[in-house]
Amino acid sequence: RKEVEQDPGPFNVPEGATVAFNCTYSNSASQSFFWYRQDCRKEPKLLMSVYSSGNEDGRFTAQLNRASQYISLLIRDSKLSDSATYLCVVSPPSGNTPLVFGKGTRLSVIA
Amino acid sequence: DVKVTQSSRYLVKRTGEKVFLECVQDMDHENMFWYRQDPGLGLRLIYFSYDVKMKEKGDIPEGYSVSREKKERFSLILESASTNQTSMYLCASSPAGTRQYEQYFGPGTRLTVT
Repeated sequence: RKEVEQDPGPFNVPEGATVAFNCTYSNSASQSFFWYRQDCRKEPKLLMSVYSSGNEDGRFTAQLNRASQYISLLIRDSKLSDSATYLCVVSPPSGNTPLVFGKGTRLSVIA
Repeated sequence: DVKVTQSSRYLVKRTGEKVFLECVQDMDHENMFWYRQDPGLGLRLIYFSYDVKMKEKGDIPEGYSVSREKKERFSLILESASTNQTSMYLCASSPAGTRQYEQYFGPGTRLTVT
C-alpha cells in the first residue's frame, strides 16, 4: 500500500466552481500534514498546513480526519490562477524523518 | 525570502559521465534534500542531510552520492550517468525544529542523459 495516495486527476472545473481533493495516508501514527502547490514547470511551494481542527486561508480550507486517515483540500470560487498540481504531504511519526509526498492532483480551472 | 538556487536549469550529459548538481541556500537552514521528479512517479527522495558532513539515504539512492562540506551547499553526484537518470532534479532546504516541515525548493535542474 502506498504511503500517501491521491487521485491524479485532472480535475477540469469552470471559474467560480468549488472543488475538493482528498488524500489518504497509510501510517496512522503520522504526525503532521500539509498541502503543497506546484505550478507547471515550477518548484513545489508550501500552500498550507492541515490541523485536526481544520484551517482556512481565504478561499482554501484544509481538513484532517485522523480516524479515516484522510486529508482534504477545498477550493471555493476557483480562479484561473489556481490551476496547478496539489501535493498532499505527510510527516512520518518519528521526529527526524523526511516528508512523504503524494504524487499530486492536477487542477485546471477553465474560463 | 528564502532562496534556494541550483547551478543549472538544463543540463545535457553523455552516458558514463560524472555529473555534479549543486544546490545553495541562503537562509542558514540545517536540513537539505535532493529529489527527482518524473511523470507519474511524483517526487522521490534521493538523499538528505540534517547537518554539515552528514548524509542519509532516501528512497532511491542507487547511482547517486552527495556531499555537504558547508551548511549552505548540498551537492548531488551521479558517478556514471545513465539514461534512466534523465529527470528533473529538485533540491530543497528547511529549518530544524518545529518548522522542519516547511521545505523550500529550488527551481530544479532538468538533466538529460544521452
